[in-house]
Amino acid sequence: SAVISQKPSRDICQRGTSLTIQCQVDSQVTMMFWYRQQPGQSLTLIATANQGSEATYESGFVIDKFPISRPNLTFSTLTVSNMSPEDSSIYLCSVEFGGRDADTQYFGPGTRLTVL
Amino acid sequence: SQKIEQNSEALNIQEGKTATLTCNYTNYSPAYLQWYRQDPGRGPVFLLLIRENEKEKRKERLKVTFDTTLKQSLFHITASQPADSATYLCALAPGYSTLTFGKGTMLLVSP
Repeated sequence: SAVISQKPSRDICQRGTSLTIQCQVDSQVTMMFWYRQQPGQSLTLIATANQGSEATYESGFVIDKFPISRPNLTFSTLTVSNMSPEDSSIYLCSVEFGGRDADTQYFGPGTRLTVL
Repeated sequence: SQKIEQNSEALNIQEGKTATLTCNYTNYSPAYLQWYRQDPGRGPVFLLLIRENEKEKRKERLKVTFDTTLKQSLFHITASQPADSATYLCALAPGYSTLTFGKGTMLLVSP
């Protein structure tokens, strides 16, 4: 396993603004993912963050709204752009290490976002 | 359409009893299925993975079964404790693609 941290842990933002969430892992990982968890709902995958190339987005999520960066094997950011109250949610990053531990995801603590 | 169903009602049990949680799925042929625990305000924590060719897997007080004919997984916690109270999520991976999560079932273990 690994230590996964997210910043900020929570934020309250105004409509129309953008927020960038950081995910830092204390060791190199093969895969990094970003999820959204709305109140009472399951985790929904937003995108897979690819190191050195554009993220792979799931249906219903687009790069203009959720730009993602992954400059190296231990760090990624997710930006929630032009926010509306519907973006209020918990945003989680997760990682996979590959090898013997492949297929198992380890999650960060989440970022609780409230948009007014 | 593809669906993962977990009981949305909380499961209330007495300490010491066995808790059994259910995960049903439709229109998937998962290569494996996973169970995670999520506490309020925290990210999910991986518990167990079971592959399509495995019927049962155990880890300490936890047991998972996987019936690909019934399209169902059962998650058991034996000798349950109040500290086991949490929401338990199942997740499927069709082939080697990304995980899809159920909504989870809340377990409440009373002393």
